[in-house]
Amino acid sequence: ETGVTQTPRHLVMGMTNKKSLKCEQHLGHNAMYWYKQSAKKPLELMFVYSLEERVENNSVPSRFSPECPNSSHLFLHLHTLQPEDSALYLCASSQSLRGAANTEAFFGQGTRLTVV
Amino acid sequence: AQKVTQAQTEISVVEKEDVTLDCVYETRDTTYYLFWYKQPPSGELVFLIRRNSFDEQNEISGRYSWNFQKSTSSFNFTITASQVVDSAVYFCASINSGGSNYKLTFGKGTLLTVNP
Repeated sequence: ETGVTQTPRHLVMGMTNKKSLKCEQHLGHNAMYWYKQSAKKPLELMFVYSLEERVENNSVPSRFSPECPNSSHLFLHLHTLQPEDSALYLCASSQSLRGAANTEAFFGQGTRLTVV
Repeated sequence: AQKVTQAQTEISVVEKEDVTLDCVYETRDTTYYLFWYKQPPSGELVFLIRRNSFDEQNEISGRYSWNFQKSTSSFNFTITASQVVDSAVYFCASINSGGSNYKLTFGKGTLLTVNP
């Protein structure tokens, strides 16, 4: 148990569906992240939030829409995805965004997404 | 730009063997941090170690040891007397200390299988 919880663990969705991934942390962290892990590719940083403000959108297509309503919760809203979006989506949090204190990230177990 | 290379895609060993996972990094920064994360089958990335660029001391933690050599830009990870529970994907990562210093750059990972 890392303190970062992601739901659902598995999701199968059609290309016309709309779904949301949820991430929750109660570690008192101020920064939260979404990563995408595809087969045989390095983890890709998608979005970064610090104190509920988005500070990074790493050229992610608009069919992925993040939301951070408070410092404990992070969502990734999905719509009209493509089969190539199938991947493991990992949420992470860290104490803060700047300085040495931020450099240990705690990861959730991920949501395994399959787009059919 | 930072880059992390893990040349070993997969390694298979028999229990009790020692195994070394290689990591080579590239960075233009003089101050940076290096990490190792473990990803067991359950999916979450588990933090193992953080090392800053000014500290080249090798570190040992139980059966784990890390060899940081700036001269060869390497940060290798050795598991002594491997166990089946060590089977996982291991990621090496780096982060710089200035600018966007929250961006972890990951290698592609090394799948370690420890057979009984």
